[in-house]
Amino acid sequence: EVLLVESGGGLVQPGRSLRLSCAASGFTFDDYAMHWVRQAPGKGLEWVSGISWHSGKIDYADSVKGRFTISRDNAKNSLYLQMNSLRAEDTALYYCAKGSSYGPGNNYFDYWGQGTLVTVSS
Amino acid sequence: QSVLTQPPSVSGAPGQRVTISCTGSSSNIGAGYDVYWYQQFPGTAPKLLIYGDSNRPSGVPDRFSASKSGTSASLAITGLQTEDEADYYCQSYDSSLSGSIFGGGTKLTVL
Repeated sequence: EVLLVESGGGLVQPGRSLRLSCAASGFTFDDYAMHWVRQAPGKGLEWVSGISWHSGKIDYADSVKGRFTISRDNAKNSLYLQMNSLRAEDTALYYCAKGSSYGPGNNYFDYWGQGTLVTVSS
Repeated sequence: QSVLTQPPSVSGAPGQRVTISCTGSSSNIGAGYDVYWYQQFPGTAPKLLIYGDSNRPSGVPDRFSASKSGTSASLAITGLQTEDEADYYCQSYDSSLSGSIFGGGTKLTVL
């Protein structure tokens, strides 16, 4: 059974940093791209970032480019999102999602975690 | 403002057929990138409903179908059931943005 478990969310002040983690199990982690998708309260889904199986190809949404950094540790079956210079508009439930192929482009997301909530507020 | 445009809401009576449109542009759907569809119930993670424009993962009823033409795609649900009441999202890839994109979502109400 594929399982994705996010952690690291919480309340943080604007301008500060936070690191999210996603522990994966039930599939060959280093065969697939992984992604972060967020959903602001009461709003729709927004793709944030994706990373290829070997970390050689990384994409970001324009809204987070230069502030967020995605990474993965295939030895630990883990995905990360380092979020710097956080803004109120980054407040959302952050989902970890498994990509459908090894590269981050033109993927669908076949498995999702339950999300970790990030609240940016003073 | 989402890159993919969906109607905010649609509704139908049990047993009826509804469609949800997803309109893109020449840098995403029109460029031939696949369209995917997700179903999301309140308080839960999205679930993949359709992949590769029109394919259903195992376990998804054949009441759900999808198609694509030009710069648009659509999801059709036949034989509406009360348990179909949820939010539906389309997703694709955009070559100009170099990233995945979602539609704004459509809330389906079963009357």
